[in-house]
Parts: sequence; structure tokens; C-alpha cells
Amino acid sequence: AQSVAQPEDQVNVAEGNPLTVKCTYSVSGNPYLFWYVQYPNRGLQFLLKYITGDNLVKGSYGFEAEFNKSQTSFHLKKPSALVSDSALYFCAVRDEDNQGGKLIFGQGTELSVKP
Amino acid sequence: NAGVMQNPRHLVRRRGQEARLRCSPMKGHSHVYWYRQLPEEGLKFMVYLQKENIIDESGMPKERFSAEFPKEGPSILRIQQVVRGDSAAYFCASSPRQGNTEAFFGQGTRLTVV
Repeated sequence: AQSVAQPEDQVNVAEGNPLTVKCTYSVSGNPYLFWYVQYPNRGLQFLLKYITGDNLVKGSYGFEAEFNKSQTSFHLKKPSALVSDSALYFCAVRDEDNQGGKLIFGQGTELSVKP
Repeated sequence: NAGVMQNPRHLVRRRGQEARLRCSPMKGHSHVYWYRQLPEEGLKFMVYLQKENIIDESGMPKERFSAEFPKEGPSILRIQQVVRGDSAAYFCASSPRQGNTEAFFGQGTRLTVV
């Protein structure tokens, strides 16, 4: 069965420093991988996705993610964090072979960026 | 193109009442997903529907919960005889197809059972 793990409940970063939010996945077929961000009392906003091709994917708000097939990881990164990046981040996977098509989410990582 | 619309945004029900949550997908989207988010927890998949069909309801509790996506009108998540443990945020998402496309989320309905 497909699954996603976000090993860190919380990540703390100083403004201006690089940030990484970790995600590992497990699927039976080819993975479609996604990152979403959730601000308080809001729905999820799509950030970026990996389908195929270049392992480094660029997305919204300066975020990028690196797909690593051998490590089954899809870590979210940003070169210089902003206080406004503070939010809850979710990694998700959709298994190409999963006819159900649903997104499976990790448990989320709370990112806190301090001035 | 309006996004995914959920209503109501907030819903308060007494124990034993029924809760109806509505979701209008984005225009052109025929796939709808419902998720539940409990405080301090992630998103748990509940059900996946296409027009007039339930494709995957593996995350739906066997009793009191039902979902539909009729040919016309919004998708409805229905919770009968609500209990305090049903208090949560319920999110709907839609996509135009399966596979490599992202899903777009609504703002959610926050259900409080008193």
C-alpha cells in the first residue's frame, strides 16, 4: 500500500536561512508526488508536484523539491526562508497504479520561521 | 474560474442531529475527494467520487456516514446522528482526472458537535 512519511512534526528556521521539510514515500508503481501548504483555518494550497523528468521541481513562492528515487524521498526546500512561510506543510503521493486516484497525505510538518 | 466551494464554513450540531456538508468542485472537474482533519492531525482520506459513482470509500466509517455526487448539483457528505468525535474540519478537493494532476481544495467545513 502507498504511504507517505514526514519524520519531523516541527521545523524551526531563522528568517533568511535555508529550509528543508522532509518527506519519504512508498508506492508500488510510479509515484506522483505533491506538496501542499495550509495556513491557519484555511484549506490546502498546492505548491508543486513531481510527475516525471527533472528531479528538481520548482513551485510557488520560491519553493522547490528534490525527487530522489533511490532514497524514495521528496524533500521540500527553499534557499531563504520568510516569516510568512510559517505554516503547516503536507507531502502527498498518488500511485500511478492506484486506480482509486486518491492522494495519500503525510501527517504534516509545522514550519516556524522566526525573525 | 471559481475555486472549490464548500458550505457552510462552520456548522454546529447537537449530538444526534444530522450534518450535511456541501462541495461544489471547480468547473470542469468530475473527481471529488473528501478528507477529514482532526486537531493536531493530518488529513485522512474518506471517500472518492465521480459523477453518480462512488469510486473508493475505504476511508469512510461504515455507519452514519454517506456521500454522493449527483449528476447535477454539489457533492454532499452526510453524517447522521452526530457524536462529539465527529467534530473536525472536513475538506473537499476536486481534480479534472486521475493520475498526474493535482487536486484543488476548498476552504473546509468546520463541524462542531455540542
